[in-house]
Amino acid sequence: DAGVTQSPTHLIKTRGQQVTLRCSPKSGHDTVSWYQQALGQGPQFIFQYYEEEERQRGNFPDRFSGHQFPNYSSELNVNALLLGDSALYLCASSRTSSYNEQFFGPGTRLTVL
Amino acid sequence: DAKTTQPTSMDCAEGRAANLPCNHSTISGNEYVYWYRQIHSQGPQYIIHGLKNNETNEMASLIITEDRKSSTLILPHATLRDTAVYYCIVGGATNKLIFGTGTLLAVQP
Repeated sequence: DAGVTQSPTHLIKTRGQQVTLRCSPKSGHDTVSWYQQALGQGPQFIFQYYEEEERQRGNFPDRFSGHQFPNYSSELNVNALLLGDSALYLCASSRTSSYNEQFFGPGTRLTVL
Repeated sequence: DAKTTQPTSMDCAEGRAANLPCNHSTISGNEYVYWYRQIHSQGPQYIIHGLKNNETNEMASLIITEDRKSSTLILPHATLRDTAVYYCIVGGATNKLIFGTGTLLAVQP
């Protein structure tokens, strides 16, 4: 079992650009959540996808959007990048029946210049 | 905002038990206590969770007070590899984890 995988590992963008991050959940998991982690802070919940729909959303602007595919994999899109979007973006997967036992991927380090 | 209060940092000697406290005085009846940890440069790792009763698994034990306003995570024999930030999280069955800043546990040789 490969666990949760994310791509790319690192990414450098400039202000105003758009970025897409990808996540493959752990085998058997149907729910994917995305988190943003700034340096020295705990992860902040962005949103969660289940059955290809956004089920919950944290306090993030509409520039952050996502998608879940029929195979449960997911994408996080960020438009009009700001310097403050520089962070580690974490994907976590779980079974909808297992509450908050989430398995996290290694993250994508996004740097906005 | 996070619903929990944890010390910023703690030290523990290798081989000794590490006891990490967490206060969650506003916890509601249907909310669980979850513990995760994050080793440097890795994603968070689920450790254990509980509702009312004490819980134990291969990684740790979770002791929840009778009034459920606080809990303690116990690593029975800490190793250097247990050095990490430990997050105590309170939440219901919504799959939305609200992380605070956690406790940095430093296991000393």
